[in-house]
Amino acid sequence: DAGVIQSPRHEVTEMGQEVTLRCKPISGHDYLFWYRQTMMRGLELLIYFNNNVPIDDSGMPEDRFSAKMPNASFSTLKIQPSEPRDSAVYFCASRSSRDRSSYEQYFGPGTRLTVT
Amino acid sequence: SQQGEEDPQALSIQEGENATMNCSYKTSINNLQWYRQNSGRGLVHLILIRSNEREKHSGRLRVTLDTSKKSSSLLITASRAADTASYFCATDKGNDMRFGAGTRLTVKP
Repeated sequence: DAGVIQSPRHEVTEMGQEVTLRCKPISGHDYLFWYRQTMMRGLELLIYFNNNVPIDDSGMPEDRFSAKMPNASFSTLKIQPSEPRDSAVYFCASRSSRDRSSYEQYFGPGTRLTVT
Repeated sequence: SQQGEEDPQALSIQEGENATMNCSYKTSINNLQWYRQNSGRGLVHLILIRSNEREKHSGRLRVTLDTSKKSSSLLITASRAADTASYFCATDKGNDMRFGAGTRLTVKP
């Protein structure tokens, strides 16, 4: 398996623009997580899905952020409008509910977002 | 919000030495996991210890958990330059996993 795939790897945009980050989880994984990593706040859980349904979005910073999972193999995280303080590395991770021995989450390589 | 707090924030040692990183957390947990992150990469799972376990080993890794003190430690024995990375503890109650700020480990050859 190719692992969790994220695109783009780098995104530079201007304040006010819409940004869409994409994630393809590992095939067969039924949980998908979106995280944001910054120097100031560390790694924060934004939202997670189970079987394509959002379960907990309490970590989403504000209404400018939205996430969707239209099917088991694709999820998006959208920021509209973007602001400089959204600059961070955004990670997608997935796991399988059948793995009850390790509860391991598999992380993608991340998308480094810079908003100028 | 972060749950775990790692200590120290940064650690620099010589190859062959042991590295110990500590993690403290605030609320009750189901499991505690340790992850590693190489610069510019995603996190990679290292080991999980359940709340009813006290110690666990995996290769050169040794993890301890003290639920009474709400703390855990990760020991890497006989460190190698390739162990240079950031190490994070993560506490979970099911799928709600909270990461600490991490310890930046540098192993000098």
